[in-house]
Amino acid sequence: EVQLVESGGGLVQPGGSLRLSCSASGFIFSDHHMDWVRQAPGKGLEWVGRIRNKASKYTTEYAASMTGRFTISRDDSKNSLYLQMNSLQTEDTAEYYCAKLSGRVNAFDLWGQGTMVTVSS
Amino acid sequence: IQLTQSPSSLSASVGDRVTITCRASQGINSYLAWYQQKPGKAPKVLIYAASTLQSGVPSRFSGSGSGTDFTLTISSLQPEDCATYYCRQHNTFPITFGQGTRLEIK
Repeated sequence: EVQLVESGGGLVQPGGSLRLSCSASGFIFSDHHMDWVRQAPGKGLEWVGRIRNKASKYTTEYAASMTGRFTISRDDSKNSLYLQMNSLQTEDTAEYYCAKLSGRVNAFDLWGQGTMVTVSS
Repeated sequence: IQLTQSPSSLSASVGDRVTITCRASQGINSYLAWYQQKPGKAPKVLIYAASTLQSGVPSRFSGSGSGTDFTLTISSLQPEDCATYYCRQHNTFPITFGQGTRLEIK
């Protein structure tokens, strides 16, 4: 089955860290650029960042508010994507989705179900 | 690049023609996609490259525009179209989404 499954969300205190994972199956993970998108409760979608594929040297891009705090990585041998989040703030509370970028249509054509991160004392 | 959607919400009847607009703060060529998100679910791509219908999406959905002004049109609203709709640009990093348009069925 073609799917993305996120894990690793939970409750963390302000200033803390958390690592999210996204497990891919049913497609050639290594071929694709992968993104993280988040959504605060009751709010709209916010792009977090991207990691490109090996052919593009695994380069990354981040939204300005995440640069320096968040790091995206991937392990193609495990068909897995990661989001390391440090110095978390209450405004980082959100559902975090991983998304596959279709090179053909240049749109996110596959999304995970999301994992919830709550930053609170 | 800021994307401004209008309206922020709307209510329409089954069978109505519905149009949602997305305006970019600067030109983005045709590097725009439209997504539909239902409550508690992940988004789903409807339109890419501003006007190309994603495979499997009903033909009542269509997109148009280029440069700074874009529209998503539902030609005949169906009950299952109740959702929030987002535009997204990928002309320039950082990728940005519009604030969303909540569509309700009367």
